[in-house]
Order: sequence, then structure tokens, then C-alpha cells
Amino acid sequence: AQSVTQLGSHVSVSEGALVLLRCNYSSSVPPYLFWYVQYPNQGLQLLLKYTSAATLVKGINGFEAEFKKSETSFHLTKPSAHMSDAAEYFCAVSDLVSGGYQKVTFGTGTKLQVIP
Amino acid sequence: GAVVSQHPSWVICKSGTSVKIECRSLDFQATTMFWYRQFPKQSLMLMATSNEGSKATYEQGVEKDKFLINHASLTLSTLTVTSAHPEDSSFYICSARAPLPYNEQFFGPGTRLTVL
Repeated sequence: AQSVTQLGSHVSVSEGALVLLRCNYSSSVPPYLFWYVQYPNQGLQLLLKYTSAATLVKGINGFEAEFKKSETSFHLTKPSAHMSDAAEYFCAVSDLVSGGYQKVTFGTGTKLQVIP
Repeated sequence: GAVVSQHPSWVICKSGTSVKIECRSLDFQATTMFWYRQFPKQSLMLMATSNEGSKATYEQGVEKDKFLINHASLTLSTLTVTSAHPEDSSFYICSARAPLPYNEQFFGPGTRLTVL
């Protein structure tokens, strides 16, 4: 089964500073990878996804992630943090299971704190 | 993007009662819906996969008789927590797989269940 590991359950950055959230995946086949954001007491919103096209994926709200096969990584970055970026971020990988649908497995999440 | 709704958004019930949570895809038909459970400060754990017109597929360790899932139509799946106990208190999130051009999962806003 495929899995993702998120390094750091909490990350704090100053407003305007670079945001870097780390995610490493484990997969025996080219994976589909995702980053989701969750605001308190809300569902998940897709930030971006990698589906074996371009290795640098641009998402919403200025976020982007780079798929690096040699490092089995899919780290999420944003050049300049905003206060509104404070939320929980989940890396996820999808696995094609019997029945033809994709089962999404989530990492443990990283809570981003933005300091004014 | 495609929209998934959940109802209710929060519910408080007494121990021993049953609670039904609805998940609807508002602007697309979803042959497959997913139910997740999220404990405080933890990641989402897949409970079951709901396929329209057939029995749900439950993940290992999830009690089928306790968490009843019904996917009666292409736009509605329900999760019923039977004989709820305080340990069932959690945040329940559904997602629905949208067809092309989306071809991805969209998540509902979640339902906060508190069992007294």
C-alpha cells in the first residue's frame, strides 16, 4: 500500500517568510499526490495535485509543490506566507484499488502557524 | 469546482441513540463516495467506500453494524452511527468522486458529532 510521511506536525513561519511543508511518499508505482488544506471545523480543500505530468505543480493561493522521484518527495512551498495561510495541511497519495477507483491515504498533517 | 454538502454540520446526541449524516453531491453524480473520520489533531482515516447501488466496502477495524452506510442514489450517501457512545464523538467527513473533467475527490465540510 502506498503511504505518505509528513515531517513536522507543527511549523511556524513569520508573515512574509517562505513556507516549506515536507512530504515524502512511499510507492511502488508512479503515484498521484495531493496537498489539501483544512481550516478549523471545515472539510478539506484541494491545493494542488500531481498526476505524472509536470513535476512542478502550481496550486491555489500561491502554493506549489515539486515532485522529486529521486527523493520520493513532494514538498509544498509558498514564497511569502500570509496570515490567512494558517491552517492544517495534509499530503495525500492515491492508490488504484479493485473496482477501478482511487483510494486516498492521508499523511498525519502539518499545522502551519503564521506569526505577525 | 464540484460541491459536496453534508448535513447536519454538527449534532449532539445522547449515548445509545442513532445519528444519521447525509452527504450530497450537489452538481454532479457520484458513483463512489467515501466516509472519513477525524479525531482531534489527527489525520483523516478512511472508514468505508460507498458505491451506488451496492454494499459499502469497509476498512479493516471499522464495525459494519455500527456504521451503516447507504448509497441510495448517485447524489446521496448516508452514514448512520447506531447506538452511539462517547467514543464515537468525532469529525466525520465525506467525499465524492467527481467524473471528468474533474476526476478527483471533493470533500464535504464535515459533521461534528458529540455523544454525551
